[in-house]
Amino acid sequence: GENVEQHPSTLSVQEGDSAVIKCTYSDSASNYFPWYKQELGKRPQLIIDIRSNVGEKKDQRIAVTLNKTAKHFSLHITETQPEDSAVYFCAAPPGGSYIPTFGRGTSLIVHP
Amino acid sequence: GAGVSQSPSNKVTEKGKDVELRCDPISGHTALYWYRQSLGQGLEFLIYFQGNSAPDKSGLPSDRFSAERTGGSVSTLTIQRTQQEDSAVYLCASSPEVGEAFFGQGTRLTVV
Repeated sequence: GENVEQHPSTLSVQEGDSAVIKCTYSDSASNYFPWYKQELGKRPQLIIDIRSNVGEKKDQRIAVTLNKTAKHFSLHITETQPEDSAVYFCAAPPGGSYIPTFGRGTSLIVHP
Repeated sequence: GAGVSQSPSNKVTEKGKDVELRCDPISGHTALYWYRQSLGQGLEFLIYFQGNSAPDKSGLPSDRFSAERTGGSVSTLTIQRTQQEDSAVYLCASSPEVGEAFFGQGTRLTVV
């Protein structure tokens, strides 16, 4: 099955700095890579996703990059704000499956 | 439009009792997933339903756990003879056949 590794487990930044969270996956047939944000006590919500036919996708202050050869993808948040503080999860369904396998999560703390 | 609805939002039960958790997915979504999230932990896959296909039960931790989905819509997760280690937030999600998983608010289960 798919194995998804996520790093770091905790990330602390100052407001305005950039934050980068990285994930690696094991199944080379995986072709869909979503990122979820979970605020304290709330449900996970999709913030951005990328499919394997592109290498980068941006949406305002967030972007995701994908390197299929190396089997890793990253979430980039620029100009961080305190409201970006949350736990972020990457996911990768194994090839041929629609069941997302989630990373263990990164707790992002943005200090004002 | 309604999102994914779960009930109850909180459930406290005595060790050894059975519990039923309900998930009402977004109308028209063919895929439905159950995940478990222990305090400060990631998302542990439990079971997946897709249309009329046989469910993928590979994530169920023991035979005390079972789930069904009636009429391709509402799903019920049943835990028999609950144990303290079953205490967690149980999250349900639904999605179109291929795409974003929309999560419910979860049921927080506490076994005392």
